[in-house]
Amino acid sequence: NAGVTQTPKFRVLKTGQSMTLLCAQDMNHEYMYWYRQDPGMGLRLIHYSVGEGTTAKGEVPDGYNVSRLKKQNFLLGLESAAPSQTSVYFCASTPTSARGNEQFFGPGTRLTVL
Amino acid sequence: AQSVAQPEDQVNVAEGNPLTVKCTYSVSGNPYLFWYVQYPNRGLQFLLKYITGDNLVKGSYGFEAEFNKSQTSFHLKKPSALVSDSALYFCAVRDHTGANNLFFGTGTRLTVIP
Repeated sequence: NAGVTQTPKFRVLKTGQSMTLLCAQDMNHEYMYWYRQDPGMGLRLIHYSVGEGTTAKGEVPDGYNVSRLKKQNFLLGLESAAPSQTSVYFCASTPTSARGNEQFFGPGTRLTVL
Repeated sequence: AQSVAQPEDQVNVAEGNPLTVKCTYSVSGNPYLFWYVQYPNRGLQFLLKYITGDNLVKGSYGFEAEFNKSQTSFHLKKPSALVSDSALYFCAVRDHTGANNLFFGTGTRLTVIP
């Protein structure tokens, strides 16, 4: 099993450009999450999904959109990138709604917006 | 609302000495607490969790954590530090909604000095 994978690993954008980050998991997990990691701020939740076809806003959703058309994939979109979106983005998944389940993280995507 | 605090940005310890990384939490109801480790340029890896039961929880790589309800703390410990333990450590608490979101602390960078 590959676990949680993220594409791409690195990306540089210019202000105003758009892009999509892809997260894929092969563990048949129901729940998926997108976080951003900034120095001194830990991880903050952007959007999450509790199942195929569902999405919901997290703590810092502005400027991002998501889609979960297939259970194994969770896409994060930036429609018009801004320098404030320079960050490391992590995807995670967890099997079910049981609160004892840990989240499994991907390797991250480092995004720079110039 | 739930939150965790990691009061130390940086912890330095000599190789072979015991280490402690501190975490305090705030949550209504029973806490579900997690520790994750992040090595350079990698995603987060699960170390251990407290759900219920024994206050001393054992996890991966020889780490353990002590849950203290009266002090609302969940400190990460290891009896003898290794240089390879040098990494960024995150404490997290699960929310009580159906989404099972995690709220992370700001992280503590552990440096083990040879």
